[in-house]
Amino acid sequence: DTEVTQTPKHLVMGMTNKKSLKCEQHMGHRAMYWYKQKAKKPPELMFVYSYEKLSINESVPSRFSPECPNSSLLNLHLHALQPEDSALYLCASSQDQEAGGPTDTQYFGPGTRLTVL
Amino acid sequence: AQSVTQPDIHITVSEGASLELRCNYSYGATPYLFWYVQSPGQGLQLLLKYFSGDTLVQGIKGFEAEFKRSQSSFNLRKPSVHWSDAAEYFCAVGLFNNAGNMLTFGGGTRLMVKP
Repeated sequence: DTEVTQTPKHLVMGMTNKKSLKCEQHMGHRAMYWYKQKAKKPPELMFVYSYEKLSINESVPSRFSPECPNSSLLNLHLHALQPEDSALYLCASSQDQEAGGPTDTQYFGPGTRLTVL
Repeated sequence: AQSVTQPDIHITVSEGASLELRCNYSYGATPYLFWYVQSPGQGLQLLLKYFSGDTLVQGIKGFEAEFKRSQSSFNLRKPSVHWSDAAEYFCAVGLFNNAGNMLTFGGGTRLMVKP
């Protein structure tokens, strides 16, 4: 089973709202990722967690705040977003990037379609 | 720095025809290469990957890809396209450094299938 689940599927929020995106996997993977994908563009990496510790932050604005409460769960907390943050947010997981290196294959969830009004 | 180029933004093929999607990479070391497919509004599904060994790799849904080091290419092929193959296809190269594991994606190729 290579399933990564994401909730909600769609989210509409105002610029003053606080909301969270949730990602879950039960494959025993120890690395989890957040990507942002604008329309007709490839995914762009935002954050990487390895063994529940943040290992990569691709200079993402502080209005995006990731959290990894345990090895199965990854959250992305959103606050004071801008309309240009509207995008598809993808979560991915991989078995163990520290052991596997570049062969550690990432498996993606279906995404959350975020609209900021 | 590594990069991935997918020269064709759009490709249209007739159902039942063969397909080849091009991918060229720029990477100094041994490349770790992936093809993903994304249906509209969906996440990415892994089609196949190449790390080493046999340069012709088989994937899911009848897809295959051939790694050609001399041409820095990793083209995706399918002998007979089905209407359900219409989607966006992304080629990616994996990079691992002290910070962690990162994928660099190409710009994507949108495949349309004519009945």
